[in-house]
Amino acid sequence: DIQLTQSPSTLSASIGDRVIITCRASQSVSVWLAWFQQKPGKAPNLLIYKTSILQSGVPSRFSGSGSGTEFTLTISSLQPDDFATYYCLPYKNYPWTFGQGTEVEI
Amino acid sequence: EVQLLESGGGLVQPGGSLRLSCAASGFTFSDYVMNWVRQVPGKGLEWLSVISSDSSRTYYADSVTGRFTISRDNSKNTLYLQMNSLRADDTAVYYCAKDTTMTGAPCDYWGQGTLVTVSP
Repeated sequence: DIQLTQSPSTLSASIGDRVIITCRASQSVSVWLAWFQQKPGKAPNLLIYKTSILQSGVPSRFSGSGSGTEFTLTISSLQPDDFATYYCLPYKNYPWTFGQGTEVEI
Repeated sequence: EVQLLESGGGLVQPGGSLRLSCAASGFTFSDYVMNWVRQVPGKGLEWLSVISSDSSRTYYADSVTGRFTISRDNSKNTLYLQMNSLRADDTAVYYCAKDTTMTGAPCDYWGQGTLVTVSP
């Protein structure tokens, strides 16, 4: 099974900041990595899939990059609605494992 | 509009069983791969299981293999999770989520979740 390291676990940021979250996998997942956003009490929401494809309706300030074992989620200019927890998910092979999560807080 | 509605959660004693359902609407259910994911309150997401569109293939997380069974009834547009030998650490909110394999998008729609509490 894949081992994941998502960092940081918590990130303190301000409105307008550029935010970068990293996800490292123990083995190559090629481009098969997704990012999710979750707000308290709500189901997760798919932001990005296949490393860099923005899900419909997701603002363009979100972007993803990487390949193989190292991936990043970038929020170019943090907005109030972006304070949430973010999870990566490599999905090349089963079983899937979500990253540990990154809480973006003020 | 895609909708996924979980039901069947509740309080169950350790060692007991529960069957969760996920009613799907707004898309052709029989064309899509479906997943179960859970989340212990205040903790991270844990993927549990997946089933192919025609039920021919299923996969499970190690933590539930041999205890949980995923299934679906395409005639009823419903996904199921049969949970046996429940333990306290199975207490969580359980979500169903659909994939869109054609685009390569995993878990692109989620239900609202149903809470399972395992306690004496």
